[in-house]
Amino acid sequence: DTAVSQTPKYLVTQMGNDKSIKCEQNLGHDTMYWYKQDSKKFLKIMFSYNNKELIINETVPNRFSPKSPDKAHLNLHINSLELGDSAVYFCASSQGVTNEKLFFGSGTQLSVL
Amino acid sequence: GENVEQHPSTLSVQEGDSAVIKCTYSDSASNYFPWYKQELGKGPQLIIDIRSNVGEKKDQRIAVTLNKTAKHFSLHITETQPEDSAVYFCAPRDTGRRALTFGSGTRLQVQP
Repeated sequence: DTAVSQTPKYLVTQMGNDKSIKCEQNLGHDTMYWYKQDSKKFLKIMFSYNNKELIINETVPNRFSPKSPDKAHLNLHINSLELGDSAVYFCASSQGVTNEKLFFGSGTQLSVL
Repeated sequence: GENVEQHPSTLSVQEGDSAVIKCTYSDSASNYFPWYKQELGKGPQLIIDIRSNVGEKKDQRIAVTLNKTAKHFSLHITETQPEDSAVYFCAPRDTGRRALTFGSGTRLQVQP
């Protein structure tokens, strides 16, 4: 069974569209994250939620809005997609807010044309 | 926030040789130092970690050493195998942001 699963794996879309990426973890973890990995492999944290509460919100455009309906799910909605949003987006989870031992999903490759 | 530098950016070794990757950090309060391995098309996976009260930790062919005074820690892989080929990231914990700050990654290529 996949511990952290995100869908879709690939997402190709036009500039200006709105898209969502879904993430679910079955590890019973309290904390979930979204990371962005650019073409040079830099991994940067975007958001973190602990028990559905936003605890980390890095400098990310307002077009990105995370939503956590329960502690096992963290979705990412992106409005008005831009070319620069093209990247691989990773969902991750950890046991608690100390942010140790991250478990990552397999990533969503977003391509904005 | 934490400034993290990772070297080298690429490393090519022959199968059976050793590989060492170094990570330098700036936050003197950091107390947790993990290494992640990312294979092609997959998410990063934790392979080994160390806490600030320990100088070295080993797990079979991989080891991590920590020098808190100099603020750097290193990943050591011995008897490298082709399946060790991947991108490796250090990710010291930024105590200010309560988050891991990932290094820029090292692409390791093990030549058969």
